[in-house]
Amino acid sequence: KAGVTQTPRYLIKTRGQQVTLSCSPISGHRSVSWYQQTPGQGLQFLFEYFSETQRNKGNFPGRFSGRQFSNSRSEMNVSTLELGDSALYLCASSLGGDDEQFFGPGTRLTVL
Amino acid sequence: DQQVKQNSPSLSVQEGRISILNCDYTNSMFDYFLWYKKYPAEGPTFLISISSIKDKNEDGRFTVFLNKSAKHLSLHIVPSQPGDSAVYFCAAIHFQTGANNLFFGTGTRLTVIP
Repeated sequence: KAGVTQTPRYLIKTRGQQVTLSCSPISGHRSVSWYQQTPGQGLQFLFEYFSETQRNKGNFPGRFSGRQFSNSRSEMNVSTLELGDSALYLCASSLGGDDEQFFGPGTRLTVL
Repeated sequence: DQQVKQNSPSLSVQEGRISILNCDYTNSMFDYFLWYKKYPAEGPTFLISISSIKDKNEDGRFTVFLNKSAKHLSLHIVPSQPGDSAVYFCAAIHFQTGANNLFFGTGTRLTVIP
């Protein structure tokens, strides 16, 4: 069974631009969660989508948004990029209940 | 507000010895705790977990201890092996809210010296 995949793996953008990251969950998984990893803050929860609906949201500004498609693939969008948005963005998929989350390799975003 | 804390950013241990990684949390409503291991360029992988109704869970070389009164958990690795060198994250979750988002600590980099 293929694992969670994320594209692109690396991305360089400049301040003010916007970016879209993609996550393909494990087949059969309906929940996709997004996390931001920075050296100082560790892993922080962004949001979770389940069956195309945002089910839970962390404490991030509205510049961070996401969506989920009918095939459970998810995208995360960050608009008006700031230097502080440079981070590793991880997505995790699960069946949707209180079951284990499986993480993808992440997308390394660098904002210049 | 960091609800899960790992105060030691790094730890070095000799091969064969015990590694003890610590984690503290502030939210008494957390009811499930997990440890993840992360290698460079890979996402975190689940290692071991413990429910808040237990105080110990063991899986091979890995044991997690939970002290609810102190809001503290620890991961013991015995014996430590060079392949255990990675960043370890503890995480907590509050299932009763209906949410399954994980609250992570900032990680501890474990180096096992051969």
